[in-house]
Amino acid sequence: EDQVTQSPEALRLQEGESSSLNCSYTVSGLRGLFWYRQDPGKGPEFLFTLYSAGEEKEKERLKATLTKKESFLHITAPKPEDSATYLCAVMNTGFQKLVFGTGTRLLVSP
Amino acid sequence: DAGVTQSPTHLIKTRGQQVTLRCSPISGHKSVSWYQQVLGQGPQFIFQYYEKEERGRGNFPDRFSARQFPNYSSELNVNALLLGDSALYLCASRVDLSGANVLTFGAGSRLTVL
Repeated sequence: EDQVTQSPEALRLQEGESSSLNCSYTVSGLRGLFWYRQDPGKGPEFLFTLYSAGEEKEKERLKATLTKKESFLHITAPKPEDSATYLCAVMNTGFQKLVFGTGTRLLVSP
Repeated sequence: DAGVTQSPTHLIKTRGQQVTLRCSPISGHKSVSWYQQVLGQGPQFIFQYYEKEERGRGNFPDRFSARQFPNYSSELNVNALLLGDSALYLCASRVDLSGANVLTFGAGSRLTVL
């Protein structure tokens, strides 16, 4: 069964303090690994899709990387508006659903 | 462009009642999926529909049902509500089922069961 584990559960940073969020996964055959951002009371907002080990994608202060067992979301010089829950999910080659982790709650203080 | 729209945004029901949630996908998207998100957890897959046919079902009881209409909109029905059904119900649409194309989520319907 496909599984996703995210760590840490919660992370508190000062503005400008860079860090990384971890997503460990097991999947029968990886079709894609997805990162979403979710603000309280709202639906997940798409950030990145990674397809194969070694792939990297960047968007503003965020950079996502992928290995065969885990993905990292690096946040460089975060701002308070980056505060949100970051969700990682995998889709396997057979079934079309997303399997999500429980998320990392990020709080960036000014 | 309009994103995925869901209605109602919030609703309160009592145990044993039935609820219907509605979703309109992004124009041109033919697949709709439903997810349940309990507070503090990640979304869990309930159903996937493509071209009006069910293409996948998660580990949920038969009290949960769904359908997709010719205009690709969708409804999720939950019968005999239990307290544990309280959650944010998310609808997601995608263009089709090829590759790993992106699922775009709506803002969700917040269901509270008393």
